[in-house]
Amino acid sequence: RKEVEQDPGPFNVPEGATVAFNCTYSNSASQSFFWYRQDCRKEPKLLMSVYSSGNEDGRFTAQLNRASQYISLLIRDSKLSDSATYLCVVNSGRALTFGSGTRLQVQP
Amino acid sequence: DTEVTQTPKHLVMGMTNKKSLKCEQHMGHRAMYWYKQKAKKPPELMFVYSYEKLSINESVPSRFSPECPNSSLLNLHLHALQPEDSALYLCASSQRMWGTGELFFGEGSRLTVL
Repeated sequence: RKEVEQDPGPFNVPEGATVAFNCTYSNSASQSFFWYRQDCRKEPKLLMSVYSSGNEDGRFTAQLNRASQYISLLIRDSKLSDSATYLCVVNSGRALTFGSGTRLQVQP
Repeated sequence: DTEVTQTPKHLVMGMTNKKSLKCEQHMGHRAMYWYKQKAKKPPELMFVYSYEKLSINESVPSRFSPECPNSSLLNLHLHALQPEDSALYLCASSQRMWGTGELFFGEGSRLTVL
């Protein structure tokens, strides 16, 4: 089993749609969790951290379920500019492990 | 604009060449990383320097040789590479090793080995 697993997609959604990605992790001792965004042929950039109580940043909502060992990212009112690969990242304290990414394509 | 600067942005080299990739950050971060990324794959950790000392080498072949001359600079020396080493090489930094989990990536050096 991979340490961090994501559905690779692609998720093709129309503008204005709501889309959700999940990510599961295998190390129950993992300490912190993140979503990074990577545009085509660009470097990854931190989108948001994921807190136990859930957190929101504009149209983006991240949630953590420690019991089931998954994190999620919800994007509301999708924009064309949201098209990218979304990487789930888990910090075990001894390493950062990247998921393989979920590709989102928002269509006009 | 990224605060981690990598040069060159593109590099084409033959299998017998020796070249170096450079990375610089002035955020006072004490951990610096080299990642390798192939198309449609996640970044793959190669090396981690913490306080200018090599802390992690993910069993990378010796044809890749990292160097950390000071807390702001990180180099990756390349020698006798293979075509399969063609990839995007990403440098990253953080306040301390792994730290809060936020890594600041450079734009990468896209390497092609002929």
